Formats: sequence, C-alpha cells, structure tokens
Amino acid sequence: GAVVSQHPSRVICKSGTSVKIECRSLDFQATTMFWYRQFPKKSLMLMATSNEGSKATYEQGVEKDKFLINHASLTLSTLTVTSAHPEDSSFYICSARDPGRRTGKGYTFGSGTRLTVV
Amino acid sequence: TQLLEQSPQFLSIQEGENLTVYCNSSSVFSSLQWYRQEPGEGPVLLVTVVTGGEVKKLKRLTFQFGDARKDSSLHITAAQPGDTGLYLCADPQGAQKLVFGQGTRLTINP
Repeated sequence: GAVVSQHPSRVICKSGTSVKIECRSLDFQATTMFWYRQFPKKSLMLMATSNEGSKATYEQGVEKDKFLINHASLTLSTLTVTSAHPEDSSFYICSARDPGRRTGKGYTFGSGTRLTVV
Repeated sequence: TQLLEQSPQFLSIQEGENLTVYCNSSSVFSSLQWYRQEPGEGPVLLVTVVTGGEVKKLKRLTFQFGDARKDSSLHITAAQPGDTGLYLCADPQGAQKLVFGQGTRLTINP
C-alpha cells in the first residue's frame, strides 16, 4: 500500500516554456503532499507543502510565482515550473504520507521527474 | 527548522568491509528516519527510531539512536555492491513535513 505515482519521469523543454509535473497518491487520500528538488549528488531540498483545497506553503527562498503548486483533489498535486530556464533543470520529487498509517511508516515518494531545460 | 548534519558526505569502500555513517543535530529529535535512494528513484524508508538508545537491525544494517536523541548512526556489516546508494537521515517534524540531512553517498566496489 501507500503508492505515489509521478509523471512524467523525464521531460525536456525549451527555455521560456512551462512544464507541469503530476503527483498522484494511488491507494490513499493525501491532504498534504510535498515537493522536493534535488541537484546532482546532493540531498533533497523541500520546496513546498501542497495542501488540498488551499494555498501551498513554500519554504524560504522558493519563488511562488516560478513554481506553481495546485492540489485540487485528495489524490493529485501538480507542480508547474513557469517560464523555465536552464538553471531550473533538476530532479523534482514528490511525496505524501498516508494519514491512515503511523508516522513511523514514513513518507512515500514518487520516482521523480528529471527536468532538462534547453 | 532543525539542521541535520551527515558525515561523511562521500564514502567509497571495498566489498566485504564494514562502515558507519552518522547523522547529528544540535536539537533533540522526536524521532528520526533513515532512507536510501538509488539513482533516478525516490527515497525508500529503511527505519524509524523513536526512543533514546534504541537499536534496530535490518539484515546487515544496524541503526542506533543516541541516548539524548540528538544523533543517530547507521552501521553496515560486510558491505555489498547492492548497498550502493545515497543514505539520508530525516526528521519527520511531528508529521508536518520531512526534512533531510545532506546525505552520505556510499559506493561499494566489487
């Protein structure tokens, strides 16, 4: 149980365009999902907390207008990278915690999206 | 936000050797989790430790939580190439959000 699906796994886009990444909880409802960014050979950096039916909570230093988050249902959160530039190229990972499981069971992560902006 | 420091950041050893990696903080953890991430994938939970002094074993992996709940260690016995990956400690922060340490990138050479 507690499966999170992320799509697409890889995307290449042109500079100046926008890219949408989807994160779905397949077998549970997630009122909260999380978006991380990971640079090569580095750890995961939390970007924002996505809250179903309300505004996302962004971590300090993350541009809200650049990284648009929408959590319109209990099983889907999307991250849109707007007006992408090469420096936005990165590995983006989403996660969610099944509220029906104990905290000790951990968070479930998607498989990530490799974004390359050319 | 609690800062988690992991050491070493990189470790490359030969198959069959033992190793220990560390996770430290200046603040007390309510609980702490260890994850492993392989290239191109999301992290996968290995263990959660909650009680000071707690020791948990997962096959050849031994996890220890410091008595004061400010540090944790992961010891791997007789490392194998399949143990290669990025090891991350993380603070669940009361289930509000998950914050990771910088990670230890482990390479086991055949």
